[in-house]
Amino acid sequence: NAGVMQNPRHLVRRRGQEARLRCSPMKGHSHVYWYRQLPEEGLKFMVYLQKENIIDESGMPKERFSAEFPKEGPSILRIQQVVRGDSAAYFCASSWDRATDTQYFGPGTRLTVL
Amino acid sequence: AQKITQTQPGMFVQEKEAVTLDCTYDTSDPSYGLFWYKQPSSGEMIFLIYQGSYDQQNATEGRYSLNFQKARKSANLVISASQLGDSAMYFCAMREGNQAGTALIFGKGTTLSVSS
Repeated sequence: NAGVMQNPRHLVRRRGQEARLRCSPMKGHSHVYWYRQLPEEGLKFMVYLQKENIIDESGMPKERFSAEFPKEGPSILRIQQVVRGDSAAYFCASSWDRATDTQYFGPGTRLTVL
Repeated sequence: AQKITQTQPGMFVQEKEAVTLDCTYDTSDPSYGLFWYKQPSSGEMIFLIYQGSYDQQNATEGRYSLNFQKARKSANLVISASQLGDSAMYFCAMREGNQAGTALIFGKGTTLSVSS
């Protein structure tokens, strides 16, 4: 059973460009979460999605960031007009649908903004 | 106030020794879950162990055990018989409530270095 997959693993963008990060959850998992990790910090929650629905985006910056989890295909975290402060590791996690289910993380995407 | 506190920025241990990584938490919700994750230098986040707030016994997974002291609100990770491959960053995390899809709250982490 494949784990959570994320791509790309590393992404370099210049200021003002767009970044698209992809996440495929573990097979059978219907919950997807995105977290951001700044250097020397723990992970911070951004958004929680189920298929075709954003359930909780309380951790998402109000501008330039968006997320989706379409009926078919991976979840996408999109950052428009990137700035240097967006440089971070972005992790996707997935879980099944029970309350106590563990979130399993993908390998992360390291975004560097030049 | 921080929800998850890891007071040890770095810990050092010799191979084959046991080590305890501290974690205290703060919540008023009677139902919660506590997790430990390992982040090696390669960067991925690896789930290690889980403890539910209503679990009567401390969780164990191989060489990992969780010393859960509910009254003190602590959930320390104990690694027995340390190995060189245990060198990594370790994060304590909490899920408040018992709803599926609740976000995890992470501590700042503890760096563990295992020497031979």
